[in-house]
Amino acid sequence: GAGVSQSPSNKVTEKGKDVELRCDPISGHTALYWYRQSLGQGLEFLIYFQGNSAPDKSGLPSDRFSAERTGGSVSTLTIQRTQQEDSAVYLCASSLNWDYEQFFGPGTRLTVL
Amino acid sequence: GIQVEQSPPDLILQEGANSTLRCNFSDSVNNLQWFHQNPWGQLINLFYIPSGTKQNGRLSATTVATERYSLLYISSSQTTDSGVYFCAVAPSGNTGKLIFGQGTTLQVKP
Repeated sequence: GAGVSQSPSNKVTEKGKDVELRCDPISGHTALYWYRQSLGQGLEFLIYFQGNSAPDKSGLPSDRFSAERTGGSVSTLTIQRTQQEDSAVYLCASSLNWDYEQFFGPGTRLTVL
Repeated sequence: GIQVEQSPPDLILQEGANSTLRCNFSDSVNNLQWFHQNPWGQLINLFYIPSGTKQNGRLSATTVATERYSLLYISSSQTTDSGVYFCAVAPSGNTGKLIFGQGTTLQVKP
């Protein structure tokens, strides 16, 4: 497809379970970003990838959160031992390079019961 | 860290009216981007505008980087313009991460 895609679109999980969220960026985009959007905190940056490296992980809220990117393309955000405060919409964005306009995917709505 | 403030927080317009949304930021930035989040939650990039003025149809934006603000103009508003408008800045450095303002919620009534 032409745009950024994310899966699943919705995920409901129980507290304490691990979840994996997937992002497929626009083909050829070297930069990839994860953000999350929640009512109380607005839109927050989580992590930035340039190629397969993550030079900026400053937004990850705890060590339960990790992410990887393989082949300079697909990225996976993993949340271990989910907590109710992890409930949010997780958004992925990609750009041609680090200082270019960012294009967002439709997001994954995560609900932790 | 850098602060991004948007005003007004809420705006109600009659179809056909014009409006101006403002974004103030507290430090120098690499770039500034305006987004529209539609009622289905999709974020659409409207402008990449680190400085100067750009126009796209009924929308235009101006960023005055030296004075640390940006303006988004919407002319002849339509009901499809409803949603939340976000300003986001990339702080100086080489990550490109965006820091978002809290948004302006726009409702255009027919």
